[in-house]
Amino acid sequence: EAGVAQSPRYKIIEKRQSVAFWCNPISGHATLYWYQQILGQGPKLLIQFQNNGVVDDSQLPKDRFSAERLKGVDSTLKIQPAKLEDSAVYLCASSFFPSGSTDTQYFGPGTRLTVL
Amino acid sequence: GENVEQHPSTLSVQEGDSAVIKCTYSDSASNYFPWYKQELGKRPQLIIDIRSNVGEKKDQRIAVTLNKTAKHFSLHITETQPEDSAVYFCAASINQGGKLIFGQGTELSVKP
Repeated sequence: EAGVAQSPRYKIIEKRQSVAFWCNPISGHATLYWYQQILGQGPKLLIQFQNNGVVDDSQLPKDRFSAERLKGVDSTLKIQPAKLEDSAVYLCASSFFPSGSTDTQYFGPGTRLTVL
Repeated sequence: GENVEQHPSTLSVQEGDSAVIKCTYSDSASNYFPWYKQELGKRPQLIIDIRSNVGEKKDQRIAVTLNKTAKHFSLHITETQPEDSAVYFCAASINQGGKLIFGQGTELSVKP
């Protein structure tokens, strides 16, 4: 089966600019996650969608980050304006996740963002 | 909130030796514990997971043990090979949320 797809793979921007990342989950997966992985650390959840609804966005810096999941399939994560500390790899993951259970999360290749 | 501590941060072993990585978690409601392997510049890939209703799970050269009372779980790799070299992350999840809380990672180096 096809895996989680992300684009772009790399992005370099100046601080205060805006940037958007795209994710296409595995077909049929209801739950989609965006994680931020700073160099040398484990991934940290930014936002979790189930279908097109937000389940958890408690760690999302809402003054600059936004995310949406179009029609419960693809998702975009946006940063506006970017700060130096946003430099990280942004990982998208998906899982089948029937309500009330925990299921395997499959990760995409990530987008490496460098903010100068 | 949930916190996961992982040790050691780096581990170097000779090919053929065993490697053990340990994690502790803070929330006793956690019931799902996956381990991911991440090679340089690649995506995290699930290598093994365990749920709280079992104490041990094996898959060829890798095994995971869980001690719910002590709130810790460990990854064991036997007969290590150079291709096992990577960063390994443990994680914990509470059933309803599905959100994974990751440890800080262990960089494993297997020397031939």
